[in-house]
Amino acid sequence: GESVGLHLPTLSVQEGDNSIINCAYSNSASDYFIWYKQESGKGPQFIIDIRSNMDKRQGQRVTVLLNKTVKHLSLQIAATQPGDSAVYFCAEAAGTSYGKLTFGQGTILTVHP
Amino acid sequence: GAGVSQTPSNKVTEKGKYVELRCDPISGHTALYWYRQSLGQGPEFLIYFQGTGAADDSGLPNDRFFAVRPEGSVSTLKIQRTERGDSAVYLCASSSRDRNNSPLHFGNGTRLTVT
Repeated sequence: GESVGLHLPTLSVQEGDNSIINCAYSNSASDYFIWYKQESGKGPQFIIDIRSNMDKRQGQRVTVLLNKTVKHLSLQIAATQPGDSAVYFCAEAAGTSYGKLTFGQGTILTVHP
Repeated sequence: GAGVSQTPSNKVTEKGKYVELRCDPISGHTALYWYRQSLGQGPEFLIYFQGTGAADDSGLPNDRFFAVRPEGSVSTLKIQRTERGDSAVYLCASSSRDRNNSPLHFGNGTRLTVT
């Protein structure tokens, strides 16, 4: 049967490097976007969100960029640490319900010490 | 404070059996969501409660699936006549309201295996 990770994009970086994880979304009506981190055996953990009236938002060591023209979202992680290793999901929602999220495929980030 | 709590963490059941999965949201959160996550995929929306009522159940795959939240806090997802294809991690999430600067906080899920 299918194993976790065989069909997910992967990103492998060295500790201390910056990481960029990309996501394409499909629904032009989406106006709320969010990034989650998921470690093995755990639920998704909120990282950062952004609304469609913004194109950039910064948090602690993370930055989200939104390009509505090409329907593209990215997550930048500065000074990546081994604890950042996880699967990262982008998700989108339309204005009627910001909790009814449509998740993307996920990207496996591996940080090597 | 305590996060979203889901019990059991693992459930193995035989095909055809009935199961109940429980979710305790973060205290004070009025919005509660159920998602399902299959191996290697992102979570998929099942149902959303605002208070006691199901505001949107459009993600429930068929009438074997049902969820309740009778007192506006704890929720139970019920699956009748389980099938092997129901095997997945069932995630619950809550938020303080459904709009504006209130992201979902997820529990660690219940891993359901139907044999």
